[in-house]
Amino acid sequence: NAGVMQNPRHLVRRRGQEARLRCSPMKGHSHVYWYRQLPEEGLKFMVYLQKENIIDESGMPKERFSAEFPKEGPSILRIQQVVRGDSAAYFCASSPPSPQETQYFGPGTRLLVL
Amino acid sequence: EDQVTQSPEALRLQEGESSSLNCSYTVSGLRGLFWYRQDPGKGPEFLFTLYSAGEEKEKERLKATLTKKESFLHITAPKPEDSATYLCAVQAPGANNLFFGTGTRLTVIP
Repeated sequence: NAGVMQNPRHLVRRRGQEARLRCSPMKGHSHVYWYRQLPEEGLKFMVYLQKENIIDESGMPKERFSAEFPKEGPSILRIQQVVRGDSAAYFCASSPPSPQETQYFGPGTRLLVL
Repeated sequence: EDQVTQSPEALRLQEGESSSLNCSYTVSGLRGLFWYRQDPGKGPEFLFTLYSAGEEKEKERLKATLTKKESFLHITAPKPEDSATYLCAVQAPGANNLFFGTGTRLTVIP
């Protein structure tokens, strides 16, 4: 029973390029959450999605960041025109569709912007 | 505004030396309080969920407790493999996200 899968595990981009981070939830989970962990800071919520729907994007920066969770395939977090401040670890979590659900995290994608 | 404060920031223990980690929280109501363990370069690994004051949960050398203002993670007779960062998070009623503290970095010395 595979856990939450994320790829790539490491991603290097130059300023101005685009970064695409992928997340496949655990089997049976239909809710996906993205978090960002900056160096020496705690995990910060970005966005919560269900299949084909963005439910809560209150933690997403207003510009350059977008997320989707299509009917088929993984969830994608997309960062356009990356800047050095985007360098961080990005974690995806998934949960089953039940009350008080626990979120299970993937191994993360470490983005480095040169 | 939701707030989670973990203390101490870092803790060094000798193998077998029991101790407790603290998580103080301020949230409008509490849907759940979560403990995770995070090893360097990895994602948070779920440990416990606590829902109401007075609740306790145990797993091997770890025991988590909850009051109306704080949670403790007690570590009994720790081993070097317990070395990790322990994260506390809260979820408010109606909220989708977890609100995390900055963690306690535990080092257990053989």
